[in-house]
Amino acid sequence: DAGVIQSPRHEVTEMGQEVTLRCKPISGHDYLFWYRQTMMRGLELLIYFNNNVPIDDSGMPEDRFSAKMPNASFSTLKIQPSEPRDSAVYFCASSPDRVREKLFFGSGTQLSVL
Amino acid sequence: AQSVAQPEDQVNVAEGNPLTVKCTYSVSGNPYLFWYVQYPNRGLQFLLKYITGDNLVKGSYGFEAEFNKSQTSFHLKKPSALVSDSALYFCAVRDLEGSNDYKLSFGAGTTVTVRA
Repeated sequence: DAGVIQSPRHEVTEMGQEVTLRCKPISGHDYLFWYRQTMMRGLELLIYFNNNVPIDDSGMPEDRFSAKMPNASFSTLKIQPSEPRDSAVYFCASSPDRVREKLFFGSGTQLSVL
Repeated sequence: AQSVAQPEDQVNVAEGNPLTVKCTYSVSGNPYLFWYVQYPNRGLQFLLKYITGDNLVKGSYGFEAEFNKSQTSFHLKKPSALVSDSALYFCAVRDLEGSNDYKLSFGAGTTVTVRA
């Protein structure tokens, strides 16, 4: 298995533009998580899905952020409009289990909003 | 509420010496505890976990960790460090009490540098 695949690896955009981050989880994993990593706040859980259904989006910082999972093999995290404070590394992770099992992380998307 | 503390931002050791990365946690119920490692420009990789049973857990790359309930600690150890162990290490906890047991809270991370 190729693991969790995220794209793009790097994204540089200007303030106000729409940004879409993509994730392909490991096949057979029912749980998908989006995390954000910054120096100031560390790793933060933004949202998680179970069987393509968003379960908890309480970590999504603002209405500018939205996430979807149209099928078991694809998820997107969208920021519209983007702001400089959104600059961070965004990780997608999947897991076959909600509690007991480890998370499998993608390599992340480094987002820079100018 | 659950939380994790990694009291050391950085740990520096010489190759061949023992390595310890400290972690303490706070939960309402019973914890599930994890260690992850992050290499530059990579995602987090799982090292080991404590769910139940033996307090000493062995994981990948020769790492081990000991669960200490009385001290609410889960320190990561390696008897003989390698230069290739230089990375960012994260401790994480899940609190099994309540409906938010899926939430994994991460510590701030500890940068380990192993010098040759």
